[in-house]
Amino acid sequence: AAGVIQSPRHLIKEKRETATLKCYPIPRHDTVYWYQQGPGQDPQFLISFYEKMQSDKGSIPDRFSAQQFSDYHSELNMSSLELGDSALYFCASQGQGANTEAFFGQGTRLTVV
Amino acid sequence: AQKITQTQPGMFVQEKEAVTLDCTYDTSDPSYGLFWYKQPSSGEMIFLIYQGSYDQQNATEGRYSLNFQKARKSANLVISASQLGDSAMYFCAMRDRSGGGADGLTFGKGTHLIIQP
Repeated sequence: AAGVIQSPRHLIKEKRETATLKCYPIPRHDTVYWYQQGPGQDPQFLISFYEKMQSDKGSIPDRFSAQQFSDYHSELNMSSLELGDSALYFCASQGQGANTEAFFGQGTRLTVV
Repeated sequence: AQKITQTQPGMFVQEKEAVTLDCTYDTSDPSYGLFWYKQPSSGEMIFLIYQGSYDQQNATEGRYSLNFQKARKSANLVISASQLGDSAMYFCAMRDRSGGGADGLTFGKGTHLIIQP
C-alpha cells in the first residue's frame, strides 16, 4: 500500500538559509499535518491542511509557512533558519473523518549548522 | 495540565512477556481519538492502533490491543508476546478540540521500551 512520502530524507543547511520540505500524502487522503520533533522530544503539531485550505495552526514560527497544492502534496517553507530548527520534521496524512488513523511519513531530518 | 501523560519513561521487559504501556489523557471534548505510535531508533513514526471515544469495543490490531477505560481516562497499550523488534519509543497521542485546541495530535512524552532476550 502507498505510504506518505517525504523529501528530502536528510537536509543540512546553514544559519539564515531557507529550506523547503515536501510531503506527498496517501492517495485520496484529504488532510495533511506537519509536525516538528526535536532531539529527545515528542512531536509538536505545526500546521494542518484540509482540502488544500489551511485547517489549523499549532506552534509554527512566523518564519515558517506551508501550503497544500492542487495535487494534495504539501510543502513546508522555512526561512532564516536557526540552530534550534534542527529537528525531525514529519508529515502525516489522514482520510475522511475527524477521528481516523493518521499515517506518518518517514520524516525529514533537518540539521542547521 | 498535561493532555497526555505517559508515566513510564523507560521499561525493560523479557522477550515473550506481555507489556502494558500506560497512558492517561485529559479532555473535556466528548468526541476524541486516541492513537499509539511506535518510533524505532531509525526515526520513523509507525501507526499501531486507534480508539475513538465512542467506540464500544477495545481496539485490537494483531499483537496490539488498547485497554480503554473511559471513566478513568486511560488508554493503555498492551503488547502480547513481546519480540526483540518491539524495542522502540512508544507515543500515546490524542486528537480533540477542547479548549480551542488545534486539530493536530497532542503527544505524550513517550515510553522507551527495551525487550531483553
